[in-house]
Amino acid sequence: GAGVSQSPRYKVAKRGQDVALRCDPISGHVSLFWYQQALGQGPEFLTYFQNEAQLDKSGLPSDRFFAERPEGSVSTLKIQRTQQEDSAVYLCASSDEGSGNTIYFGEGSWLTVV
Amino acid sequence: GQNIDQPTEMTATEGAIVQINCTYQTSGFNGLFWYQQHAGEAPTFLSYNVLDGLEEKGRFSSFLSRSKGYSYLLLKELQMKDSASYLCAVRDDDYKLSFGAGTTVTVRA
Repeated sequence: GAGVSQSPRYKVAKRGQDVALRCDPISGHVSLFWYQQALGQGPEFLTYFQNEAQLDKSGLPSDRFFAERPEGSVSTLKIQRTQQEDSAVYLCASSDEGSGNTIYFGEGSWLTVV
Repeated sequence: GQNIDQPTEMTATEGAIVQINCTYQTSGFNGLFWYQQHAGEAPTFLSYNVLDGLEEKGRFSSFLSRSKGYSYLLLKELQMKDSASYLCAVRDDDYKLSFGAGTTVTVRA
């Protein structure tokens, strides 16, 4: 597609439920990022992939968060045993290492844990 | 750690000019980005500075001073559609962007 695509756009989960958020980056983009954005705040880094390799997961808030990109394109962010504090927008972004500069964001997956 | 500061809110009149300042203290520096984000939408790329000076792109300009850890985004000839949050972000190594909390700009008629 033309841009970064994320699904679902909106997710309501009961506390304790597992959720999976999908990101389809711009075709051919090597780098893929996940960010978490709380209401009224800037995005906070979660994790970074270069192709299928997860090079940085320092921003994942707990071991309940897991991300993968097995074939170097589509990525999934999984949150196990969701808690209310996990409620946020999860943004995926990708960039072409060849361009070097611009990082393109998807519209995000809005997660509400009740 | 990373420290990126920008004002929380700004209000301006349609047709006017607004300058959004951003100061940063980061462990490294490999470029500064400005993004625009309308409520409920994706951040969209506005500008990128890696060298000192002014980058102009239509009604939007961005300035960087690396020695001062300072940038600004200048929005000219404001339009109602410019009402949005503006995010300052620093790339502190090869890939990771650290964001400020964003500046909400409200344009009044």
